[in-house]
Amino acid sequence: DAGVIQSPRHEVTEMGQEVTLRCKPISGHDYLFWYRQTMMRGLELLIYFNNNVPIDDSGMPEDRFSAKMPNASFSTLKIQPSEPRDSAVYFCASSLAGSGGRTYEQYFGPGTRLTVT
Amino acid sequence: GEDVEQSLFLSVREGDSSVINCTYTDSSSTYLYWYKQEPGAGLQLLTYIFSNMDMKQDQRLTVLLNKKDKHLSLRIADTQTGDSAIYFCAETEDSGTYKYIFGTGTRLKVLA
Repeated sequence: DAGVIQSPRHEVTEMGQEVTLRCKPISGHDYLFWYRQTMMRGLELLIYFNNNVPIDDSGMPEDRFSAKMPNASFSTLKIQPSEPRDSAVYFCASSLAGSGGRTYEQYFGPGTRLTVT
Repeated sequence: GEDVEQSLFLSVREGDSSVINCTYTDSSSTYLYWYKQEPGAGLQLLTYIFSNMDMKQDQRLTVLLNKKDKHLSLRIADTQTGDSAIYFCAETEDSGTYKYIFGTGTRLKVLA
């Protein structure tokens, strides 16, 4: 398996523009997670899906952020309009469900480095 | 809410042992994890320990868990320059939430 695939790897955009980040999880994984990593705030969970359904979006910072998972092999994180403070590395991760409610290892993608000028 | 804390930096000489520490607050934690992040890459699982264990060893890695003090440590024996990275501690509880709580990460620098 190729692992979790994210695109683009780098994105530079101007303030006010729409940004769409893409993720392809590992085939067969039940869970998909979107994280944001910054120097100031560390690694933050934004939202996660189970079987394509959003379970917890309490980490999504504002209404400007939205995430979708139209099928088991694809998810998007959209920022509209983007702002300079959205500059960060965005990671997608996927995992299998564990028995008894425990999750297995999360497999992370290489991340998308977003710069908003 | 749950919190996981780590020191930010650690510097060791090549060949020495490294010990990275982590404290957590959630007493219902069931799994505790150590992830490694190399520059420009995502996080990769190094090892994990169940809350009913005190120690786990895997080659150069030793994980110690003190449940009473809610303290987790990762010891890397014979540290190499390739071990330079950020190490994250994370915990999850058996409540069906599937959410990890990550620590801030410890940046390990190995000096040749």
